Amino acid sequence: DQQVKQNSPSLSVQEGRISILNCDYTNSMFDYFLWYKKYPAEGPTFLISISSIKDKNEDGRFTVFLNKSAKHLSLHIVPSQPGDSAVYFCAATSKNAGNNRKLIWGLGTSLAVNP
Amino acid sequence: DSGVTQTPKHLITATGQRVTLRCSPRSGDLSVYWYQQSLDQGLQFLIQYYNGEERAKGNILERFSAQQFPDLHSELNLSSLELGDSALYFCASSVGTGSTTDTQYFGPGTRLTVL
Repeated sequence: DQQVKQNSPSLSVQEGRISILNCDYTNSMFDYFLWYKKYPAEGPTFLISISSIKDKNEDGRFTVFLNKSAKHLSLHIVPSQPGDSAVYFCAATSKNAGNNRKLIWGLGTSLAVNP
Repeated sequence: DSGVTQTPKHLITATGQRVTLRCSPRSGDLSVYWYQQSLDQGLQFLIQYYNGEERAKGNILERFSAQQFPDLHSELNLSSLELGDSALYFCASSVGTGSTTDTQYFGPGTRLTVL
């Protein structure tokens, strides 16, 4: 049962345009969400995060939007650059018993930014 | 370069065998996390160690075990290997115990192939 879903396995965008990557979740206990980027032959790299008390977080060209009622978040990249071509993972977490957290990951969306 | 190192990069072995994957965290990081990424699965959290002690457990099979040594490096032991254990195994590290602001930094992974 996939608690974090990235329904688009791939996305292709023209350089300079906006890239929008989507993520849906089912567990209403999730209170913190993260996006990671992964290049081939490397491990995932943290990109941006958002707490459930916010609906938007911005860091340079990257903005994450959270819609709690829809259990949906999205990552916007503006403007997209060829170096942004990578697999993007959405992850979510909630506080478990014992104050432990573990990340629940989506399957990833492969973004290709074409020059 | 995340500062997290994993060895070996690739491992090919036969069913029924036992292997050990090694991870050295970033300097100063006390937590080590292990993840498994199979072909059609997202990253699955296996286990977390903090300063030598098991901190959180995920979907880790009984055939798998891990430990964190006094120098903070960690090893993941996989035994009685099955074809389905073929996957990418990632190690990540973080400074703290895994709170929301405790960013995880990933190594490049070990690709295990069980024939």
